[in-house]
Amino acid sequence: AQSVAQPEDQVNVAEGNPLTVKCTYSVSGNPYLFWYVQYPNRGLQFLLKYITGDNLVKGSYGFEAEFNKSQTSFHLKKPSALVSDSALYFCAVRDLEDTGRRALTFGSGTRLQVQP
Amino acid sequence: GAVVSQHPSRVICKSGTSVKIECRSLDFQATTMFWYRQFPKQSLMLMATSNEGSKATYEQGVEKDKFLINHASLTLSTLTVTSAHPEDSSFYICSASEGGGGEQFFGPGTRLTVL
Repeated sequence: AQSVAQPEDQVNVAEGNPLTVKCTYSVSGNPYLFWYVQYPNRGLQFLLKYITGDNLVKGSYGFEAEFNKSQTSFHLKKPSALVSDSALYFCAVRDLEDTGRRALTFGSGTRLQVQP
Repeated sequence: GAVVSQHPSRVICKSGTSVKIECRSLDFQATTMFWYRQFPKQSLMLMATSNEGSKATYEQGVEKDKFLINHASLTLSTLTVTSAHPEDSSFYICSASEGGGGEQFFGPGTRLTVL
């Protein structure tokens, strides 16, 4: 079984400050990890993914995420937050070894609020 | 990049009627499509996985006779909510994947409101 935990329902940060949105995962095999962003009444927009290679993954809109195998974490980061980054962020995982399940398992989501 | 569309984007219907939602991959062939459901302020919950030309695989607790899924071609999957009830009101999102290990691309979602 695979699962994702996003421990924070909401993260508040001032514009210009660095932001971190936390994600931990659990899979039996090797993880395929994603971050998506969702704006109100919209579908999911892809930010970045990790499958293998460098632990630091750079994605869209200046976001990056660091894969930490020992801590089973994949936290989303941005050096300087913008008000327009305010949205709902989802971490998702797929177990690469579980060939019978190709769907993603999503975390509960974290609402990011960037104050001007 | 890969684009997935959904139609309609928003639908309001009366209780007891059926509603069809289309999911199309516009610039790639999707061997697999996924249907998710999202309640307000909640995460996406997988409803079913559909493979082109075969029956959909439903998640536990999802009624296959109520949520009919058809994946008749490599670019189109449809979800039909039959005999809709107000509790079926939700945001339905599809995603499409080119291959077994491929990345998923998400549609913009369909807001269903059942009166």
